[in-house]
Amino acid sequence: GAGVSQTPSNKVTEKGKYVELRCDPISGHTALYWYRQSLGQGPEFLIYFQGTGAADDSGLPNDRFFAVRPEGSVSTLKIQRTERGDSAVYLCASSLMGGIDTQYFGPGTRLTVL
Amino acid sequence: KNEVEQSPQNLTAQEGEFITINCSYSVGISALHWLQQHPGGGIVSLFMLSSGKKKHGRLIATINIQEKHSSLHITASHPRDSAVYICAAGGADGLTFGKGTHLIIQP
Repeated sequence: GAGVSQTPSNKVTEKGKYVELRCDPISGHTALYWYRQSLGQGPEFLIYFQGTGAADDSGLPNDRFFAVRPEGSVSTLKIQRTERGDSAVYLCASSLMGGIDTQYFGPGTRLTVL
Repeated sequence: KNEVEQSPQNLTAQEGEFITINCSYSVGISALHWLQQHPGGGIVSLFMLSSGKKKHGRLIATINIQEKHSSLHITASHPRDSAVYICAAGGADGLTFGKGTHLIIQP
């Protein structure tokens, strides 16, 4: 069956622009996670959805970052007024029920802000 | 906040060697994940452990809950095992990741 997919795979944008990153989780998975991985670092947690609601958004670095999951499936991570420091690989993962269920990772979106 | 430390950061070994990567964490967790990341960034989940030991092919993962420590072992290592191996400590709402161990297996 299909795994977690993310689009686009690469995104290059200019400082100050708005970007949207999309994640399609595994069908039927209720939990969805966004992570960010900067060069040379391990991934860091951004936000966790259980169904349509954000159960924990404590990892979002500031109010330029926002994520939605309106129908409890596809999620979009939105970044306003992008800065060069936002350049990273943005990873999405889903799991069946959340908690200690195995998380399945997407391939990531590499965002470069010039 | 959980602190996750991995060692070594970099490891180069010869094909066939037995490999051990260590992970320690500071706060009690519900599960410990070992992940593999290949060049290009895609991440594959190798193991999720809450106790004891798991084995899959040439990979073995162990965890000691009391000591807050886990190890990933690779037996009969092969150049295709070359990747970054990441330990992640899990709570109910997400993972805290180590910085990864960059493993290179030379033929």
